[in-house]
Amino acid sequence: DGGITQSPKYLFRKEGQNVTLSCEQNLNHDAMYWYRQDPGQGLRLIYYSHIVNDFQKGDIAEGYSVSREKKESFPLTVTSAQKNPTAFYLCASGTLAKNIQYFGAGTRLSVL
Amino acid sequence: AQSVTQLGSHVSVSEGALVLLRCNYSSSVPPYLFWYVQYPNQGLQLLLKYTSAATLVKGINGFEAEFKKSETSFHLTKPSAHMSDAAEYFCAVSEPAGGSYIPTFGRGTSLIVHP
Repeated sequence: DGGITQSPKYLFRKEGQNVTLSCEQNLNHDAMYWYRQDPGQGLRLIYYSHIVNDFQKGDIAEGYSVSREKKESFPLTVTSAQKNPTAFYLCASGTLAKNIQYFGAGTRLSVL
Repeated sequence: AQSVTQLGSHVSVSEGALVLLRCNYSSSVPPYLFWYVQYPNQGLQLLLKYTSAATLVKGINGFEAEFKKSETSFHLTKPSAHMSDAAEYFCAVSEPAGGSYIPTFGRGTSLIVHP
């Protein structure tokens, strides 16, 4: 089945720790996106990438980092600099021509 | 700059009643407009999309939305609510930015359906 796979589904971070959220797609999409979702705040864009080896900051990139070494993969690292990381993280992919985003099932990150 | 306002963080309807979820947008160019649905602990799924063709757009699960340029609105409707429609609904707008389209999402409206 084609789709977007996010893992893990639940993740816990200790103080001062970096954690990495995985996002893989087999839809052959050029574009990939990371969003953070907090209750009542909708989706806020963290980073996006439209081509391999290139990515751009979104509205709330501070405390996060990404890489795009392969078309299929766009992992997000939540660094220790992100002081309030507890949220639901959504990865999406899409084609620029159709301008529709397809979302993964999300990763819920909590702080221990 | 683009923005989206969804009126009402919660909308409550009875099963079988009309569903109306409101969305107003701001865009400096002709926009693309979207409605997505999110069920608990899941990702978002596209309901429908407006791209300057017909102003009345039909989507999945019996939902439709009408683009009204004069009112800068893109409200989502369904004639008869079903219990399975209970979910979070997001309106989104996108416009070209250097050749790419980056959507902006509203804060979401939670639809509650009473039996």
